[in-house]
Amino acid sequence: DAKTTQPTSMDCAEGRAANLPCNHSTISGNEYVYWYRQIHSQGPQYIIHGLKNNETNEMASLIITEDRKSSTLILPHATLRDTAVYYCIVRGYDTGTASKLTFGTGTRLQVTL
Amino acid sequence: ETGVTQTPRHLVMGMTNKKSLKCEQHLGHNAMYWYKQSAKKPLELMFVYNFKEQTENNSVPSRFSPECPNSSHLFLHLHTLQPEDSALYLCASSQQLAPAYEQYFGPGTRLTVT
Repeated sequence: DAKTTQPTSMDCAEGRAANLPCNHSTISGNEYVYWYRQIHSQGPQYIIHGLKNNETNEMASLIITEDRKSSTLILPHATLRDTAVYYCIVRGYDTGTASKLTFGTGTRLQVTL
Repeated sequence: ETGVTQTPRHLVMGMTNKKSLKCEQHLGHNAMYWYKQSAKKPLELMFVYNFKEQTENNSVPSRFSPECPNSSHLFLHLHTLQPEDSALYLCASSQQLAPAYEQYFGPGTRLTVT
């Protein structure tokens, strides 16, 4: 799977949009971009994923650049409960196993009042 | 979320004990997974089951023994564990194995081996 690069930490004021960037410059054409988050000592929570097009669901929006080398997760109105570690993961068939979600170190998002 | 449940949520066991972790998914998924998350380390995939058949074992020691009696239930049988096996054990499920299908995680079992 392609490697991803994320900032170690970010802050966001409550009620504002949180924009979390991710670089995945070595992504291949059949690899998906996934976002999960994990609140301390809980199971990771699926947020959103996409292949080429931008995606939106009730939790967030995913913006993927045209060359697919980077993406941004947008939480439109951050709340204190969005404080968590956010993981950007590239997932595909290339490594011989389609099952693996390879979690890196992620971005620690702190939402403040 | 209650789509994937795990019991117990916390477990303390001695190195000579035998215990089992249980996972149940209520999502109608066909694939189930066991992950291990040790302190300050990334998640490690342990086992993968697809339609009750094991498809992956990522070099997990034999003291961990998975069982998948049907597509909704997954067990992890533990015996003669070591203190370094203390970790958060997470179960996940997905509709299919393919990368297009997201995995949903349970809350995890916090295991402490004494």
